[in-house]
Amino acid sequence: QKEVEQNSGPLSVPEGAIASLNCTYSDRVSQSFFWYRQYSGKSPELIMSIYSNGDKEDGRFTAQLNKASQYVSLLIRDSQPSDSATYLCAVRGPGSNYKLTFGKGTLLTVNP
Amino acid sequence: EPEVTQTPSHQVTQMGQEVILRCVPISNHLYFYWYRQILGQKVEFLVSFYNNEISEKSEIFDDQFSVERPDGSNFTLKIRSTKLEDSAMYFCASGDSNTEAFFGQGTRLTVV
Repeated sequence: QKEVEQNSGPLSVPEGAIASLNCTYSDRVSQSFFWYRQYSGKSPELIMSIYSNGDKEDGRFTAQLNKASQYVSLLIRDSQPSDSATYLCAVRGPGSNYKLTFGKGTLLTVNP
Repeated sequence: EPEVTQTPSHQVTQMGQEVILRCVPISNHLYFYWYRQILGQKVEFLVSFYNNEISEKSEIFDDQFSVERPDGSNFTLKIRSTKLEDSAMYFCASGDSNTEAFFGQGTRLTVV
């Protein structure tokens, strides 16, 4: 059974701070990793993808991948109240018809 | 910007009735998916569809469920005899081997 684990939170940070979200996965052959943002009652919205070890930066977001440790993280710099949402980690393996396995998500609250 | 569209946004049905949820994937995508999310739980994979046939399905996707691509644009999920536990958000997604999966806005199914 392929598992994706996230701390459910809530994670509370003040406005302007760095929010750090973590995810571990069990399937060692997983190849692609994604962070989705989900506002309450809405659909998942892709914010970052990462495929190789290291860091990937896009604006205020940085995704980090360590395949040896089976660990993915998302850093949000200069957090804004509008970043308050549930962040979903999703993993995709090879030969799996590109389906995603999701974690339960981490609820982030950014306090003004 | 191309997007996945789903209809209806909200469907209320009586237990035992059949429902059809509709999706229009992004036009040049080749892989289509249905996921569901029960309130407060994680996003779960139901089925993937490629080359006009089911390529993978989860344990959730039992004989009560079916998918169809009746024409070149629509992708449907049918639940034959709904149960109370089918109440959830149902998300359609599309993608291909070189892209991430993009999600529609979801259909909230309420079985009463």
